[in-house]
Amino acid sequence: GDSVTQMEGPVTLSEEAFLTINCTYTATGYPSLFWYVQYPGEGLQLLLKATKADDKGSNKGFEATYRKETTSFHLEKGSVQVSDSAVYFCALSDGATGNQFYFGTGTSLTVIP
Amino acid sequence: EAGVTQSPTHLIKTRGQQATLRCSPISGHTSVYWYQQALGLGLQFLLWYDEGEERNRGNFPPRFSGRQFPNYSSELNVNALELEDSALYLCASSLEGGLRETQYFGPGTRLLVL
Repeated sequence: GDSVTQMEGPVTLSEEAFLTINCTYTATGYPSLFWYVQYPGEGLQLLLKATKADDKGSNKGFEATYRKETTSFHLEKGSVQVSDSAVYFCALSDGATGNQFYFGTGTSLTVIP
Repeated sequence: EAGVTQSPTHLIKTRGQQATLRCSPISGHTSVYWYQQALGLGLQFLLWYDEGEERNRGNFPPRFSGRQFPNYSSELNVNALELEDSALYLCASSLEGGLRETQYFGPGTRLLVL
């Protein structure tokens, strides 16, 4: 069945460091891919998404490219800020499996000044 | 614009009881999704309602059920509660039903089964 695997945390980085959070997926069809973020004390919110292969989603300096050949959707940011401290969830939706939604377990990021 | 709201924020039940959780979507959104977030397991998809109909359900037993009302609000019912049902239950809504749609999440209802 479909699944999403993301790197385990917690991740701790210094401000201005480069961030990569790995996400790989298994899907039957041609899924849409998402990154959601949960800031402390807030609900989950969409960070970015890509709906077909080779699409790049971007928002707030974060980017992720839908790589069908490697079944990956890694999240990157060139220079993190303290305000980026949050839990990041990779997710996919796949119509081939009857309109199902799958989320990873989340990666906690802490950015220190 | 008000976001997705859920009630109650916390719910304590004993094993075997029934729990009812409620969700109000963002105004104008017709699709509602329910997820279970148990410790260490990430979000598990439970149910999807769109225009009053159940569109799909995840891999959960039939004692997890729900409905969507004409005003698009939704209710999740969990019957015959078990200890492992203790989790954060999240509701999300989207403008339209669809796999490419952005989901907007509520703050969740934390259910504790004793």
